[in-house]
Amino acid sequence: AQSVTQPDIHITVSEGASLELRCNYSYGATPYLFWYVQSPGQGLQLLLKYFSGDTLVQGIKGFEAEFKRSQSSFNLRKPSVHWSDAAEYFCAVGAGYSSASKIIFGSGTRLSIRP
Amino acid sequence: NAGVTQTPKFRVLKTGQSMTLLCAQDMNHEYMYWYRQDPGMGLRLIHYSVGEGTTAKGEVPDGYNVSRLKKQNFLLGLESAAPSQTSVYFCASSPGVASAIYGYTFGSGTRLTVV
Repeated sequence: AQSVTQPDIHITVSEGASLELRCNYSYGATPYLFWYVQSPGQGLQLLLKYFSGDTLVQGIKGFEAEFKRSQSSFNLRKPSVHWSDAAEYFCAVGAGYSSASKIIFGSGTRLSIRP
Repeated sequence: NAGVTQTPKFRVLKTGQSMTLLCAQDMNHEYMYWYRQDPGMGLRLIHYSVGEGTTAKGEVPDGYNVSRLKKQNFLLGLESAAPSQTSVYFCASSPGVASAIYGYTFGSGTRLTVV
């Protein structure tokens, strides 16, 4: 069965600094990978997704993620964070193409921005 | 363009009371899901449905029941609420069998407190 690990529970970065959020997955075949963002009091919004092709994926709000099969990782990056990026970020993995296929979410990384 | 709508947004229950959470989607999606979100645990799947009239158990189904009488609605019921069910509940939907590839659309959540 697939699983997702986000090793960082909480990260604080300064506004304007670069950001990298880590995500490691476990799945025997090619996974389908997602990053979601949850702003306070809101639902989850899809930032980006990977399921084939170029391993560097561009998303909304200036985010990107790189799929590295050899490391089983799908880290999220942003070159310069803004105060509005403060939120919780979830990595997720989907597997399979059947009615039983579901997306499994990591436990999340809370991002705080230092002024 | 409402997407996924959850009602109510907030609710306080006494132990032993019952209630129903409603999820409605206007995107003609086949699949619908109920998750609960607890600090440090990410999102855990309670129940899901792959079409009108169908339901299936997820990771943490105990204490909950669901119904999908109409394609656009997915109801989550608590027959006898317990303090352990204090959580934020999210509904999500997806187009169909490729949901693990294309991702889900989430509602904004229901914050439930059981005292």
